[in-house]
Amino acid sequence: GAGVSQSPRYKVAKRGQDVALRCDPISGHVSLFWYQQALGQGPEFLTYFQNEAQLDKSGLPSDRFFAERPEGSVSTLKIQRTQQEDSAVYLCASSMLAGGRETQYFGPGTRLLVL
Amino acid sequence: GQQLNQSPQSMFIQEGEDVSMNCTSSSIFNTWLWYKQDPGEGPVLLIALYKAGELTSNGRLTAQFGITRKDSFLNISASIPSDVGIYFCAGPSGSARQLTFGSGTQLTVLP
Repeated sequence: GAGVSQSPRYKVAKRGQDVALRCDPISGHVSLFWYQQALGQGPEFLTYFQNEAQLDKSGLPSDRFFAERPEGSVSTLKIQRTQQEDSAVYLCASSMLAGGRETQYFGPGTRLLVL
Repeated sequence: GQQLNQSPQSMFIQEGEDVSMNCTSSSIFNTWLWYKQDPGEGPVLLIALYKAGELTSNGRLTAQFGITRKDSFLNISASIPSDVGIYFCAGPSGSARQLTFGSGTQLTVLP
């Protein structure tokens, strides 16, 4: 079956531009997570949703980062006024469960380069 | 916050050799996860460990959850070229939903 998909796969932005990254989770998955992966590092948690509710946004690095999942399915991560330090791979993951022994299934990521 | 320290950072091995990598933490984890990430892809779960002392295998991969709950190791036996990639340990922290990842072990398998 279809896995987690993300678009665009690559994004080049000029410093100061706004970007929007999309995540399509596996159909029926309740939970959706966003992670940021800097070059040569492991993914770092940004935020997660259970259905349409954003239950934890403690990992968002600044108020320029905003995520939404209005209908409990597709999610968008928006970065306003991008800075060079925002350059990273943004990974989305989804899971069927709402906790417990869940497995988070990751998408291929969006590679963002801010010039 | 919680941090996971992985070692080694990178490994170069001959095809057919066995590999061992580990992960340590200064704080207790109740679940240990091992992921593999191929270039241009997201991490894929290899093995999940839920109980201290647990030893779990998945094909040529074996992982153990340390008794102290502060460490875990992953072994790969008889390595093959497709084992190349970055291996991450991870565990739930904070709200117990977010995953904390180590910095990864880059594995290269030489023919």
